[in-house]
Amino acid sequence: EPEVTQTPSHQVTQMGQEVILRCVPISNHLYFYWYRQILGQKVEFLVSFYNNEISEKSEIFDDQFSVERPDGSNFTLKIRSTKLEDSAMYFCASRKSTGANVLTFGAGSRLTVL
Amino acid sequence: GIQVEQSPPDLILQEGANSTLRCNFSDSVNNLQWFHQNPWGQLINLFYIPSGTKQNGRLSATTVATERYSLLYISSSQTTDSGVYFCAAFTQGGSEKLVFGKGTKLTVNP
Repeated sequence: EPEVTQTPSHQVTQMGQEVILRCVPISNHLYFYWYRQILGQKVEFLVSFYNNEISEKSEIFDDQFSVERPDGSNFTLKIRSTKLEDSAMYFCASRKSTGANVLTFGAGSRLTVL
Repeated sequence: GIQVEQSPPDLILQEGANSTLRCNFSDSVNNLQWFHQNPWGQLINLFYIPSGTKQNGRLSATTVATERYSLLYISSSQTTDSGVYFCAAFTQGGSEKLVFGKGTKLTVNP
C-alpha cells in the first residue's frame, strides 16, 4: 500500500536553530498538508498546499514557518529560529484531488527543541 | 469552522470488554476518518466513513451524517488496542482540511 514517508523520525535541535522536515507524499496525490501535535494534545492543522502554492494556513503558521515543494517528490516544512514551544510531532499528509477526501498520514517527525 | 467533539476523553477497560467511542461534529462533512495513535505516536487510519457502517475485524464504525455523529465500536478489547483514538472530519467549501477532535484515550488492562 502506498505510504507517505517522513524524515527524520526524530530531530533534536538547539533553540534558535533552523529545522527542515521532509516528506515524500504518495506519488499521484496532489494536495499536501502539515499538521502538528504537541505532546498530549490534539492534532492541529498547520498548512495545506496545492498546485505549488499554499491553499490555506492556520494562525499557528506564522512567518517562522514555510513550506516548499522543491522537486516532483519532496514536500518540506522549514521552521526558522526554533523555540521551545515548537517541540512537537509534525505529521505530513496527502490526498488525491478527486474522489474520496481521504488523507493519508506519514509516521511523523518528532522535533525536540532544547 | 467545524467543531469536532469526542467522548469520553478517557476510558479504562478490562481485556475482553466492549466499548463505544463517540464523535460529534457541528457541520455537514464530506469525509470522516477514525485514527488510532499508537504508543510510538503514529496515526494509524482505521476507517474512512462519511456515512454508513464499516467493519474491520473487531472494530466497526458507523456514521449518521444527518445527525452529525459517528461511533467507533471495539469488541473483545485487547491490550494492544490501548492508545488514543481520534476522529477527524473533512470540511469542504472554502476550507478543505481534516479537523481533529481531542481524542479518547483508551487503556485496556490485562
